Amino acid sequence: QGLLVQSGAEVKKPGASVKVSCKVSGYSLVGQYIHWVRQAPGQGLEWMGWINPSSGDTNYAEKFQDRVAMTRDTSSSTVYVELRRLKSDDTAMYYCTRDEGPTSCCNWFDPWGQGTLVTVSS
Amino acid sequence: DIQMTQSPSSLSAAVGDRVTITCRPSQTISIYLNWYQQKPGKAPKLLIYAASTLQNGVPSRFSGSGSGTDFSLTISGLQPEDFASYFCQQTYSAPPTFGQGTKVEIK
Repeated sequence: QGLLVQSGAEVKKPGASVKVSCKVSGYSLVGQYIHWVRQAPGQGLEWMGWINPSSGDTNYAEKFQDRVAMTRDTSSSTVYVELRRLKSDDTAMYYCTRDEGPTSCCNWFDPWGQGTLVTVSS
Repeated sequence: DIQMTQSPSSLSAAVGDRVTITCRPSQTISIYLNWYQQKPGKAPKLLIYAASTLQNGVPSRFSGSGSGTDFSLTISGLQPEDFASYFCQQTYSAPPTFGQGTKVEIK
């Protein structure tokens, strides 16, 4: 079925970078795309991008193009998202989630990691 | 980007009530519409995909319908565990986008 387990909460200063990990188990990482979605406190869901764990290909939302990087380590079944030049409005819960469905992308998202809270504060 | 408009943004209902949430994309999306439930402090959970297909393990009181530019999620017989926020999502065209959410509260 699949389980996604994310790294713990982070507190960063404005201008710094953060790297969040998402370790998958119960299925082969290279089989399905992984998406990253974030949610600011009390707000809705915002898609950040996807990574194809098989090839390493990525596709990022235009908003994050110049300061996000998604990578993977197939040997440890882990994907990562790094966000650079953090601002206070990057404070949010960050989720990884698997792309399910008949095509490689984009179908529906299931399951989701438990979330990683990133707080950006001086 | 396709804008997703959910209504209402919140509602109050009693246990046993029938509740309907609507989702309207800014352009036609065929049936590329998914619904998620999110409880406070938890990750979203997939309820329905492809507009009307119930995800495995989701109670049959949840149902989805619609196509094109008009979709709905119905909960027939609201249960205490259903009080949560609900989000629609389109995956018809990149980037995938979500509605702003509907919070279902206890009356």
